[in-house]
Amino acid sequence: DTGVSQDPRHKITKRGQNVTFRCDPISEHNRLYWYRQTLGQGPEFLTYFQNEAQLEKSRLLSDRFSAERPKGSFSTLEIQRTEQGDSAMYLCASSWLAGGYQETQYFGPGTRLLVL
Amino acid sequence: GQQLNQSPQSMFIQEGEDVSMNCTSSSIFNTWLWYKQDPGEGPVLLIALYKAGELTSNGRLTAQFGITRKDSFLNISASIPSDVGIYFCAVSNFGNEKLTFGTGTRLTIIP
Repeated sequence: DTGVSQDPRHKITKRGQNVTFRCDPISEHNRLYWYRQTLGQGPEFLTYFQNEAQLEKSRLLSDRFSAERPKGSFSTLEIQRTEQGDSAMYLCASSWLAGGYQETQYFGPGTRLLVL
Repeated sequence: GQQLNQSPQSMFIQEGEDVSMNCTSSSIFNTWLWYKQDPGEGPVLLIALYKAGELTSNGRLTAQFGITRKDSFLNISASIPSDVGIYFCAVSNFGNEKLTFGTGTRLTIIP
């Protein structure tokens, strides 16, 4: 049973650099979510996909952030021109939506980003 | 910002004690979830509640979905060392399944 996987687990970058994270959801799941978690806080919603369509984006997702899910399977989250305030844990979750019933979200281990 | 209030923020207990924590909201939600997060890891689902008034158990864990749909509690009986971690409640509504998380309750077991 393979759960949600994320790569890399840790990323250290310098301010101004671009970074890209990958998420591989549970294979049969059609919904994929991105969340951001800062120290001492609960995760906060960023965006989600149903298959390859990006259905909602939070106002937390500034213009420097872009997410894709080109074939409805894995997803990437890119941050351009990183800032120190982008330092956080980036979490991916997936779920299955069918016939109006949604199975709950299962989370990956996260990618911890540190911007110096 | 987040709409969920979790209490207590932290708990220090001895092994074997029972634990109770709760989560309240100013808005109605029709799905309440409890997750546990270990340091450096993603949240792991413990219990999902979909019906107001529902009481659900998972081993030593018991959670209830409040009848007003604005609160939930989680109880852990006979705590063991692996219960240490941060417990989050999370909510969503049908048709808008993004999760809103509480601020967490940090559980520490004193030797």
